[in-house]
Amino acid sequence: DARVTQTPRHKVTEMGQEVTMRCQPILGHNTVFWYRQTMMQGLELLAYFRNRAPLDDSGMPKDRFSAEMPDATLATLKIQPSEPRDSAVYFCASGRTGTSGSSYEQYFGPGTRLTVT
Amino acid sequence: DAKTTQPPSMDCAEGRAANLPCNHSTISGNEYVYWYRQIHSQGPQYIIHGLKNNETNEMASLIITEDRKSSTLILPHATLRDTAVYYCIVRVMNAGGTSYGKLTFGQGTILTVHP
Repeated sequence: DARVTQTPRHKVTEMGQEVTMRCQPILGHNTVFWYRQTMMQGLELLAYFRNRAPLDDSGMPKDRFSAEMPDATLATLKIQPSEPRDSAVYFCASGRTGTSGSSYEQYFGPGTRLTVT
Repeated sequence: DAKTTQPPSMDCAEGRAANLPCNHSTISGNEYVYWYRQIHSQGPQYIIHGLKNNETNEMASLIITEDRKSSTLILPHATLRDTAVYYCIVRVMNAGGTSYGKLTFGQGTILTVHP
């Protein structure tokens, strides 16, 4: 049963520290998404990649957040420096999209719960 | 993508059918209706999607009205494990450019299945 994996599952850090979250998409999926979930804002799309190329990161605070896909099996989301308002659950999802833009379901990972004190 | 409206919460007795409504009165002809759910402390899970015909899979049925302005997700025999937040999302299936597969989540409906 193929699944999206995320590490770490939980992270507690102090304000100002760098945080790196990792995601392994399902093998064969060419599109990877990063979402953030808070009680106040719900689920928000931060950024996503297709065939490892960034397509849209308009939902991400550019000054402190960065997202990359060093290879097809790894996506990373980095926060530097972290702030208390970054405390949230960060989800990675993967899926397949065709050249015409056709796409179907997204498969979500279990999330990384980040607490910044 | 069209905006959707869902009731904030619903209750259902275990073993009974759960019918979750969604209004999407501004839906366009090329927009699909998707349903996802999120069980507590887990990532969202895809349930079903459709364009205009009713759809059924092993998890649920999706009924879309003829004018496509509303839909209903049906869990035929709800169990306690179906307690979750259910999201109705409308989006274009074949959206190129920067919209590949993009999903916009609303607040959803909290479904509570009780014994």
